[in-house]
Amino acid sequence: SQELEQSPQSLIVQEGKNLTINCTSSKTLYGLYWYKQKYGEGLIFLMMLQKGGEEKSHEKITAKLDEKKQQSSLHITASQPSHAGIYLCGAAMESGGSNYKLTFGKGTLLTVNP
Amino acid sequence: DSGVTQTPKHLITATGQRVTLRCSPRSGDLSVYWYQQSLDQGLQFLIQYYNGEERAKGNILERFSAQQFPDLHSELNLSSLELGDSALYFCASSVVPYGYTFGSGTRLTVV
Repeated sequence: SQELEQSPQSLIVQEGKNLTINCTSSKTLYGLYWYKQKYGEGLIFLMMLQKGGEEKSHEKITAKLDEKKQQSSLHITASQPSHAGIYLCGAAMESGGSNYKLTFGKGTLLTVNP
Repeated sequence: DSGVTQTPKHLITATGQRVTLRCSPRSGDLSVYWYQQSLDQGLQFLIQYYNGEERAKGNILERFSAQQFPDLHSELNLSSLELGDSALYFCASSVVPYGYTFGSGTRLTVV
């Protein structure tokens, strides 16, 4: 089973519209990361959240981590074609001992129509 | 440039062959993580090394192996390649568990 569930799997919006992508875990998250990826290219780091209730913003993108640290949302305000791509949430999860591995959701494909 | 260097960028090889992917982590980062990304499975964690030692294993096949050298660069060896091994392979590095930087990936095509 997928440890991190992202929704929706894909999203098509009109330029200028707001949108939200969700990331849910069944386990407590020790660090939650949001990345953006253009198809076939590398992952671009967007934001990292660690504390329950934490919220961070960068330009028109805001990410939040809920108090229980099991769910995060990524919100884009006034979307632009440059926001198009695959958004991936990744979470640091215990992998035994004091080790952690970064586990990813399957991603959300965002298309922004001009 | 993220600071994590992966070579080669593209690789085309035949089934049954063996290839080696290389990753140089960001300066100062001791951990290297390898991931495989395919359309149906998404981004899957393969293996982690920390300062030369294996730290964690994910969904890595027995035909795959990795190592991290004293200069901290890492190599992922894929052998007896199958068509289904075609994917993007990424490495990431971090200095603590909470900061991960990804390379631009190696696209492997098995024909």
